[in-house]
Amino acid sequence: KAGVTQTPRYLIKTRGQQVTLSCSPISGHRSVSWYQQTPGQGLQFLFEYFSETQRNKGNFPGRFSGRQFSNSRSEMNVSTLELGDSALYLCASSLEGKNTEAFFGQGTRLTVV
Amino acid sequence: AQTVTQSQPEMSVQEAETVTLSCTYDTSESDYYLFWYKQPPSRQMILVIRQEAYKQQNATENRFSVNFQKAAKSFSLKISDSQLGDAAMYFCAYRVNRDDKIIFGKGTRLHILP
Repeated sequence: KAGVTQTPRYLIKTRGQQVTLSCSPISGHRSVSWYQQTPGQGLQFLFEYFSETQRNKGNFPGRFSGRQFSNSRSEMNVSTLELGDSALYLCASSLEGKNTEAFFGQGTRLTVV
Repeated sequence: AQTVTQSQPEMSVQEAETVTLSCTYDTSESDYYLFWYKQPPSRQMILVIRQEAYKQQNATENRFSVNFQKAAKSFSLKISDSQLGDAAMYFCAYRVNRDDKIIFGKGTRLHILP
């Protein structure tokens, strides 16, 4: 069974640009969550999608958005990139969210220059 | 506010020895899960062990066990017979049962000395 796949693995962008990250969950999983990991703030919850609907959202500005497709694949978009957006972005999938175990991908390392 | 605190940024242990990683958390909820995740250099977060708050018995997974003190809001991880492959960043985490958001501590980097 394939794990959670995140693409791309590495990304370098310039300030002001926008970026889209992709996450393919484990087959059959309907919940996808996104986390931002930085040395200073640690791991912080961005949002969670279930059956194409955003069910939960963390405390991030509106520049951070996401969506989920009918096949449960999810994308995360960051517009007007700032230097502080440089981070490892992790995606986690689970069957139903809530009471089921979350499986993480290897992340996308975003560097904003 | 729900918070998870790991007071040890880094720890070292000799191979084959036992090490305990500390974690405390703060919550007003009564129904929740606690986790320890391992993040090796590959960056993939791997679940090591989980504990349901309603269970008094401490969870055990092979060489990994926890000491769950609900009243003290403490959740430490003990690694027995440490192996070189245990070297990684370890995160203590918490999730309310009715929610999907996982709240992580800042992590403890564990070094295994050969």
